[in-house]
Amino acid sequence: AQSVTQPDIHITVSEGASLELRCNYSYGATPYLFWYVQSPGQGLQLLLKYFSGDTLVQGIKGFEAEFKRSQSSFNLRKPSVHWSDAAEYFCAVGGRGGSYIPTFGRGTSLIVHP
Amino acid sequence: NAGVTQTPKFQVLKTGQSMTLQCAQDMNHEYMSWYRQDPGMGLRLIHYSVGAGITDQGEVPNGYNVSRSTTEDFPLRLLSAAPSQTSVYFCASSLDPSGNTIYFGEGSWLTVV
Repeated sequence: AQSVTQPDIHITVSEGASLELRCNYSYGATPYLFWYVQSPGQGLQLLLKYFSGDTLVQGIKGFEAEFKRSQSSFNLRKPSVHWSDAAEYFCAVGGRGGSYIPTFGRGTSLIVHP
Repeated sequence: NAGVTQTPKFQVLKTGQSMTLQCAQDMNHEYMSWYRQDPGMGLRLIHYSVGAGITDQGEVPNGYNVSRSTTEDFPLRLLSAAPSQTSVYFCASSLDPSGNTIYFGEGSWLTVV
């Protein structure tokens, strides 16, 4: 069965600092990988996704993520964080074919200090 | 462009009451699913459907029923609400099951007292 681990429950950064949110997955083959963001009281917004090809994926709002097969990781990065980036971030893994409905990590809460 | 529509957005129930969370999509997607979101737990899959007339259980199905009589609608029923079902519920639909084309509703905030 597929699974996702986000080891950091909370991350605190200063505005303007760089950011890296960790995500590790478990899946038997090359998965589909996603990062979603959720602002307080809001639904989920897709930041970026990886299916195949270039392992460095660019997303919206200046985010990027790198798929590392050898480490089973899909970490999210941003070079300079803005106060508006404060939110909950979810990594998810989806299967290729079959009926693998996406599995989500427990989320990482990003706190941004001015 | 409606996408995935969930109703109601907010609901307060008493323990033991029943209710149905409605979910409708207008994209002709075969795959639909219900998740619940709890603090520190992420989104956990309750039930899903791979097409009209076909449903299956997810990770946390107990206390919930679903049906899929049409492609467009996928209601989630709480037969006898319990405080443990206080949560935010998200409906999703997609063209395929992998999450490639998944669309989420805006969420339904349910409180059981």
